[in-house]
Amino acid sequence: GNSVTQMEGPVTLSEEAFLTINCTYTATGYPSLFWYVQYPGEGLQLLLKATKADDKGSNKGFEATYRKETTSFHLEKGSVQVSDSAVYFCAHRGSNYKLTFGKGTLLTVNP
Amino acid sequence: DGGITQSPKYLFRKEGQNVTLSCEQNLNHDAMYWYRQDPGQGLRLIYYSQIVNDFQKGDIAEGYSVSREKKESFPLTVTSAQKNPTAFYLCASSSTLEGLARGGYTFGSGTRLTVV
Repeated sequence: GNSVTQMEGPVTLSEEAFLTINCTYTATGYPSLFWYVQYPGEGLQLLLKATKADDKGSNKGFEATYRKETTSFHLEKGSVQVSDSAVYFCAHRGSNYKLTFGKGTLLTVNP
Repeated sequence: DGGITQSPKYLFRKEGQNVTLSCEQNLNHDAMYWYRQDPGQGLRLIYYSQIVNDFQKGDIAEGYSVSREKKESFPLTVTSAQKNPTAFYLCASSSTLEGLARGGYTFGSGTRLTVV
């Protein structure tokens, strides 16, 4: 069945450090892939997405590339800020239109 | 601006009471969803609806009920049968049209329900 596996947290980094949060998926067909971010006490916001193989989604300095050969969509940022502290969810959406989410990764960035 | 609105933001319920959480969207989305989030946990799907007057159970539907009488609205009732209702509840919506369906969900800002 469809599933998403993402790196377990929590992840703690110092400001300006490099961030990688790994995400792999299992799905049939060619799902769309997403990263969502949730700030404390809020709902989820779409951070970036990719709809086909080799697409790169990017937003606010974050990037992720749709790798069909490795079924991965790892999130990266070259220099994190304190304001990036949040929970990050990887997700995919297949032909049934339903999103399948990973369990989320808590990121804390210290000054 | 189009969006999805959940109300109230905080809700307190006495044991044995039913409570209803509101979710309204003006995005013209066909599909709507309810998720439950517990502290430090991921999202668990409660119910979803892809068309008016129709809805399906998600992974944890027991103790919850929904209705979809209008495209814009998808209220969730937490009944007294739900044994552990204290949680953060998130509503979402999406298009089911080909092309647009490859976009993601739009989420509301959530309702935090506490049993007192």
